Amino acid sequence: AQSVSQHNHHVILSEAASLELGCNYSYGGTVNLFWYVQYPGQHLQLLLKYFSGDPLVKGIKGFEAEFIKSKFSFNLRKPSVQWSDTAEYFCAVMRSGSARQLTFGSGTQLTVLP
Amino acid sequence: DGGITQSPKYLFRKEGQNVTLSCEQNLNHDAMYWYRQDPGQGLRLIYYSQIVNDFQKGDIAEGYSVSREKKESFPLTVTSAQKNPTAFYLCASGGSGYEQYFGPGTRLTVT
Repeated sequence: AQSVSQHNHHVILSEAASLELGCNYSYGGTVNLFWYVQYPGQHLQLLLKYFSGDPLVKGIKGFEAEFIKSKFSFNLRKPSVQWSDTAEYFCAVMRSGSARQLTFGSGTQLTVLP
Repeated sequence: DGGITQSPKYLFRKEGQNVTLSCEQNLNHDAMYWYRQDPGQGLRLIYYSQIVNDFQKGDIAEGYSVSREKKESFPLTVTSAQKNPTAFYLCASGGSGYEQYFGPGTRLTVT
């Protein structure tokens, strides 16, 4: 079965620190990749996505992610975090032919200290 | 205002009772999805529907049922057969693109 791994369950950073959240998946075929964010008390919302082309994708609020096919990874990065980035972050994978089903990782809780 | 609505926000039920969670969308999306979110486990797919009058089981369908009689609506029933029904339930919809758009969720507590 396809799986998505987020190895960091809880990350605590100070403001202005750099962020990298890991995401690895196990499926070997063509995939679409997503990062979703869930701010406290808010809907789950799309942060960024990769379908094809440039493996470095940029999303909202200064986030970016890099798809490394050889490593089955899609890590999320931000050069300088803000207190308002405190949220839970989910990586998700959609494999081709899956009727557009998303498989989510277990999530990473990011806490940014002011 | 386009989006997905789920009601109620909080729901309490006694063990042994069936309960139905509402999900409505006005995004004109063909596909709709139900997920369950538990702490430390991410989101897991319960059921999905790609078109009206058709739906498929996801990874954890046991103890749940759905219907899709209208494009806008995809209610989820948590039956008494679901062994651990207390959870946060999220509904989503998807259109011609690959993104899914999520509702605010319903937190179900069964005692």
